[in-house]
Amino acid sequence: DARVTQTPRHKVTEMGQEVTMRCQPILGHNTVFWYRQTMMQGLELLAYFRNRAPLDDSGMPKDRFSAEMPDATLATLKIQPSEPRDSAVYFCASGLVRVRDEQFFGPGTRLTVL
Amino acid sequence: AQTVTQSQPEMSVQEAETVTLSCTYDTSENNYYLFWYKQPPSRQMILVIRQEAYKQQNATENRFSVNFQKAAKSFSLKISDSQLGDTAMYFCALRRGGAQKLVFGQGTRLTINP
Repeated sequence: DARVTQTPRHKVTEMGQEVTMRCQPILGHNTVFWYRQTMMQGLELLAYFRNRAPLDDSGMPKDRFSAEMPDATLATLKIQPSEPRDSAVYFCASGLVRVRDEQFFGPGTRLTVL
Repeated sequence: AQTVTQSQPEMSVQEAETVTLSCTYDTSENNYYLFWYKQPPSRQMILVIRQEAYKQQNATENRFSVNFQKAAKSFSLKISDSQLGDTAMYFCALRRGGAQKLVFGQGTRLTINP
């Protein structure tokens, strides 16, 4: 049963600390997305990759956020330094372009920045 | 710019009833895709149904069906014979053809009562 996995599931940290969230996309998927969900803004796309190359990160605050795919089995989203307004649920999703175009979501990382 | 609007923040029905969730969208594209995602309390985002804009026939997946009105830019979801497990947040989403970015509505919280 192929699925997207994310770690950690929950993270509580203090303002100013570095946070790293990890995602393992479904094997064989060539597109990876990072979304953020908050009560106020809903679901927003932060960045996405195709074949490990960043295609669009316009939704991501560049000064503190960074997203990478060191290899095809791992995507990371890093926040440094973290701020209370970063508290949200961060979802990773993966897909295979031109094959039903469906995005499969991971369970999310709930981040709380105190 | 693309926008998706869900005008019903919350809905509640009795088990076995039929319920319809509303979604309107705006896009200048002619080639696009529409989706309904379900987010139960577990937070997992699950694709319920998808519709290609070029298809006139409304998509159906078991108890779930859509009413796609392209001219009116309306994409409602009908759940027949509702079940307790249908209780969740439902998000309508739009993706233009050739792009990967999903634009989500604010969601409708659906509660199925026993």
